[in-house]
Amino acid sequence: SYVLTQPPSVSVAPGQTARNTCGGNNIGSKTVHWYQQKPGQAPVLVVYDDSDRPSGIPERFSGSKSGNTATLTISRVEAGDEADYYCQVWDSSSDHWVFGGGTKLTVL
Amino acid sequence: EVQLLESGGGLVQPGGSLRLSCAASGFTFNSYAMSWVRQAPGRGLEWVATVSGTGSSTYYADSVKGRITISRDNSKNTLYLQMNSLRAEDTAVYFCAKRDLLSSSPLDSWGQGTLVTVSS
Repeated sequence: SYVLTQPPSVSVAPGQTARNTCGGNNIGSKTVHWYQQKPGQAPVLVVYDDSDRPSGIPERFSGSKSGNTATLTISRVEAGDEADYYCQVWDSSSDHWVFGGGTKLTVL
Repeated sequence: EVQLLESGGGLVQPGGSLRLSCAASGFTFNSYAMSWVRQAPGRGLEWVATVSGTGSSTYYADSVKGRITISRDNSKNTLYLQMNSLRAEDTAVYFCAKRDLLSSSPLDSWGQGTLVTVSS
């Protein structure tokens, strides 16, 4: 089955840039979505279709892909960005929807 | 405004059954696929099942196939998850989420979740 790999944690100081990576075989051929989840809350879509933002999501959130890695970049990080971030794709070969293991973003 | 409200969670013994519901409002229910995603305590998100807009097509994670059934009643704007032969590892918060009909579309709205605890 298809696997998405995310680092367990990322730490960044306020005002700096955080990069959350998501690795997967041939991920370039798949459409990647990113979700933010704060403790005790439901996930929220922050980037879809690799690099688009839903309405209401700050421009500080952006997505990209290169090779076998997708990246969620958060510029000018704020304390309120502290959360778990998950990448997700649809694996057409199995008709399964796959989540990465999640990355905990800590704002120092 | 899109609203998804899950219900039906609770404590159930191993081997038991439970039916979750998700009441939807604020959008044309039958124009969207719907999914269940779960999160075990302290763990990440796990996709469980998806049903097409008409209800004619269903998809399941390998971990639940044969034990769990997803369905919908478009006349009631309600999504269901029938869970049988429950195991301790099914303990999780279960979220319902909506998605455009295209399979590669994101889960753009989520409910707040309902907790299922499988324990004797």
